Amino acid sequence: KQEVTQIPAALSVPEGENLVLNCSFTDSAIYNLQWFRQDPGKGLTSLLLIQSSQREQTSGRLNASLDKSSGRSTLYIAASQPGDSATYLCAFQTQGGSEKLVFGKGTKLTVNP
Amino acid sequence: KAGVTQTPRYLIKTRGQQVTLSCSPISGHRSVSWYQQTPGQGLQFLFEYFSETQRNKGNFPGRFSGRQFSNSRSEMNVSTLELGDSALYLCASSQYRAYEQYFGPGTRLTVT
Repeated sequence: KQEVTQIPAALSVPEGENLVLNCSFTDSAIYNLQWFRQDPGKGLTSLLLIQSSQREQTSGRLNASLDKSSGRSTLYIAASQPGDSATYLCAFQTQGGSEKLVFGKGTKLTVNP
Repeated sequence: KAGVTQTPRYLIKTRGQQVTLSCSPISGHRSVSWYQQTPGQGLQFLFEYFSETQRNKGNFPGRFSGRQFSNSRSEMNVSTLELGDSALYLCASSQYRAYEQYFGPGTRLTVT
């Protein structure tokens, strides 16, 4: 069964702290992995997409890494801000061209001023 | 470029009724997928459409159906609504299959 686990389920940090969110997945034959952000009651905003042939992607204060052999991905947020408060979800697509994304339950992040 | 749009944003229906949700993908995107999000189950894949054909379907009963039109717009239908169908229904589009997906704001369905 394809599964994604995200640890921790919730995280509260003071503003300015660097933090790491973890994602582990069961299927090593992934096609790509995507990190999303979701604000309460809203849709998902794509943050970073890592293809299976890549090891990491960066966008501003965000850096995501992918280790297929261990089935892990991490999202690093530098110098966190209160506006970063949201739920962060990781999801992967399997090889074979399927459009289906398999999601984790997410990490709810609160950045305190 | 406009993002993915979904209508309506909120719906309240009674058990046993049916409902149709609409999704307009980003211009030029040909693939549309639908997901259901609930507090207990999280995000679950419903189905994917590409070139007006259903390419993949999740583990949902036949009451859930969908279609895609020639302009890539998509609709999903839920018949004989149950209380457990209350959820946020999200639509995602991508330029091609298995490319980066972009999500709409969702339709919040409440079944009473």
